[in-house]
Amino acid sequence: SQTIHQWPATLVQPVGSPLSLECTVEGTSNPNLYWYRQAAGRGLQLLFYSIGIDQISSEVPQNLSASRPQDRQFILSSKKLLLSDSGFYLCAWEGFWNTGELFFGEGSRLTVL
Amino acid sequence: QKEVEQDPGPLSVPEGAIVSLNCTYSNSAFQYFMWYRQYSRKGPELLMYTYSSGNKEDGRFTAQVDKSSKYISLFIRDSQPSDSATYLCAMSERDNAGNMLTFGGGTRLMVKP
Repeated sequence: SQTIHQWPATLVQPVGSPLSLECTVEGTSNPNLYWYRQAAGRGLQLLFYSIGIDQISSEVPQNLSASRPQDRQFILSSKKLLLSDSGFYLCAWEGFWNTGELFFGEGSRLTVL
Repeated sequence: QKEVEQDPGPLSVPEGAIVSLNCTYSNSAFQYFMWYRQYSRKGPELLMYTYSSGNKEDGRFTAQVDKSSKYISLFIRDSQPSDSATYLCAMSERDNAGNMLTFGGGTRLMVKP
């Protein structure tokens, strides 16, 4: 069966510090991968998606970046965090048939102080 | 106006009640509709996936799509305290388009024993 792991689960960082959130998928190959952000009481905002190694599309201009160094690894990064980067970050992979069904990880809660 | 509207709630019901959760949308090109359930501090999990209009049933859950009214619903029969969560609707214009999902803001449901 397929599983998706995200870490760390919780992170408190000062403004201006770097960020690295990791996501790995098991039990599937060449999945489409996604990074979303969820602000309190708001819907999911797509940040990045990837259809393959080193193939990243950015949906929202921001100080975040994403990388996919391996087929089943997706990393969200920032060189300098802003207060507005606080939120709940979710990694997801798309179901086998690429029908738009997304399967999410447990999420990483980031607080920037 | 948001592309997908969802009442944020909270919606509080007694155990055993029938719950109706709804989303309205403005884009008539949406054809694929999903409902996700999200427990507190967890990632969303896919509950129901439907294409075009009509009903789909899965256990205590029924998803209904009315494209003429641009309105989708999720019904939960015999609601249980374990159903307490936030329910997110999501939709897209075509399949093979996980990057084009539009999410509602979510409705928080509380089922009281």
